[in-house]
Formats: sequence, structure tokens, C-alpha cells
Amino acid sequence: EIVMTQSPATLSVSPGEKAILSCRASQSVLTNLAWYQQKPGQSPRLLISRASTRAAGIPARFSGSGSETEFTLTISSLQSEDVAVYYCQQYHNRWTFGPGTKVELK
Amino acid sequence: EIQLVESGGGLVRPGGSLRISCAISGFVVSDYYMSWVRQAPGKGLEWVSVIYTGGGTNYADSVRGRFTVSRDISKNTLYLQMDNPRPEDTAVYFCARSQGGGSMGDWGLGALVTVSS
Repeated sequence: EIVMTQSPATLSVSPGEKAILSCRASQSVLTNLAWYQQKPGQSPRLLISRASTRAAGIPARFSGSGSETEFTLTISSLQSEDVAVYYCQQYHNRWTFGPGTKVELK
Repeated sequence: EIQLVESGGGLVRPGGSLRISCAISGFVVSDYYMSWVRQAPGKGLEWVSVIYTGGGTNYADSVRGRFTVSRDISKNTLYLQMDNPRPEDTAVYFCARSQGGGSMGDWGLGALVTVSS
């Protein structure tokens, strides 16, 4: 099983500042990597697929990068509505999620 | 409009059985990989099972041999049969559609399943 890890567990960022979230896979997943946003009481929402492709309707402040085992989600200018938990997910070999990064306002 | 609506959640005894459903509109259930993903209270997301376009299935090790995913094309509905559930299976169960073979672009609102005596 491919194990996903995420860091940090919690990220405090001032409004308008940049947020950088990291995700690591225990083995190469090439670019078969997605990012999801989940707000309290809501279903997950797809942000990024194929490591760097924004899903339809996702604001340009969200960007993804990386390949193989190291990935990054960047929120270029944090907005209040971006407060949420963010999960990475590999789909190279079945599916596994990371434990999540909680983004909060400083 | 694409909609996925789960139903059938509730309280089930350990060792009992429960079937949850996901009614789909806006696309044909057999045209996409369809997964079940769960989230225990206050915890993260865990992939549970998938049914592929060809009808093959796959499961997380934690549920293999106890849970069965299936679909009814005539009803355009996805199912998860949960046999011999354990307290650690308590979670909100989401159905999700995979696009491009992997990422999950459409989700239901979830169904809460509580396993307790």
C-alpha cells in the first residue's frame, strides 16, 4: 500500500499571505496525485488532479506542483473562505489519502 | 446536473448487516469508476472500495471480505453491502465519481453509519 504523509498538520496563515502545503508518497506515484478541500460538515471538493491541473471552477490562487514522491499545494493569497482541511490523494495504485493539513487564519 | 445521493445509513449491531445506496443522476453509473470513501468522526478520509467500468471491484484491506460494492444500471444506483461490521467501521460514507481514472470530481453528501451494540 502506498502511504501518504502531509505536513504541517496545521498551518496558520494571515489573510493575503501565501500558504504552502506538502505531501509525500512512500513510493513514486508519478503525477497521479490529487488535492481536495474539505470544510466542516461538507463533502470533499476536488481542487487539483494530475498533480497540477486545476479542476473546473477552482480559483487561480490554488496551484499544485511536484511528481514522483514530493508534491506541493500553494494558495498564493489566502482568503477567509480557504479555511479548511486539505487532503492529498494518490491514485497510482488504488487510492490512498494523506492525513490532511488544517489551514487556519492567523 | 450531476447528483449523488446516499441513503440507508443508520445504526447497525456489530456482526449484523447494512446496505447503503447512492442514487445517481446526470450520468450513467457504469460509465465511470465509482468509489466509496469514508470518514470516521473527527478523522480523515479513507478510501473503501471501487467498482470499475467493466464491473470489477477492489477493496481496502480493512474491509475486504466483509464489504461488497455493486451497482444496478437499471436503477442507476451504487451500493455498499456491509456484512459483519465492526465499531471501527463507524463513519460517514461518501460515494464519489472518478474522472480520468483516478481523481474524484463528484461526491455525495454522505450517509452516517454507526456500528454499536
